Amino acid sequence: DTGVSQDPRHKITKRGQNVTFRCDPISEHNRLYWYRQTLGQGPEFLTYFQNEAQLEKSRLLSDRFSAERPKGSFSTLEIQRTEQGDSAMYLCASSSDRAYEQYFGPGTRLTVT
Amino acid sequence: EDQVTQSPEALRLQEGESSSLNCSYTVSGLRGLFWYRQDPGKGPEFLFTLYSAGEEKEKERLKATLTKKESFLHITAPKPEDSATYLCAVQARDSGYALNFGKGTSLLVTP
Repeated sequence: DTGVSQDPRHKITKRGQNVTFRCDPISEHNRLYWYRQTLGQGPEFLTYFQNEAQLEKSRLLSDRFSAERPKGSFSTLEIQRTEQGDSAMYLCASSSDRAYEQYFGPGTRLTVT
Repeated sequence: EDQVTQSPEALRLQEGESSSLNCSYTVSGLRGLFWYRQDPGKGPEFLFTLYSAGEEKEKERLKATLTKKESFLHITAPKPEDSATYLCAVQARDSGYALNFGKGTSLLVTP
């Protein structure tokens, strides 16, 4: 069990550029989640996949955000036309369908300049 | 709307000085309440899940308890390595599987 991995760990981009993050869940987990966390706040839910199906999306997930999990394994989160307000830690988590606890990856810290 | 409030925001303890962190919640129907530990610059680390009032879970110096309105994380004889932010989250039965987090309690344990 290697845990949830995320890539890259850090990303600095200029406003208006597109960025894409990758998440590899724990291998036997079929549920995958994306959260966003800003300084001094708890993580905020963005979206959730059951296998390859995207089943929940938060109001926080604007049209500039898109997430995919094409084969039910790894997932990508793309942010188009980044804004300074997108600067945050983007966390991925996974869980099995036999338990409710979610296991988080190390996160991708995005800085938009 | 589901709400999670954690108190205090920050807590400073001396090594060996026991204390409790509070998590108050309102949720339409609780599926589970979760405690996580988060070190600076890292993702949250799962500690406990509690499902029903009266339930308790223990791990080393940590003990989590649950009532119908709040949960406590009791820290007994803390050590400096227990310094971290402790996050509480709820999952509602009718809201899919999203976790709704509080802002956390930042704990500093000094030698």
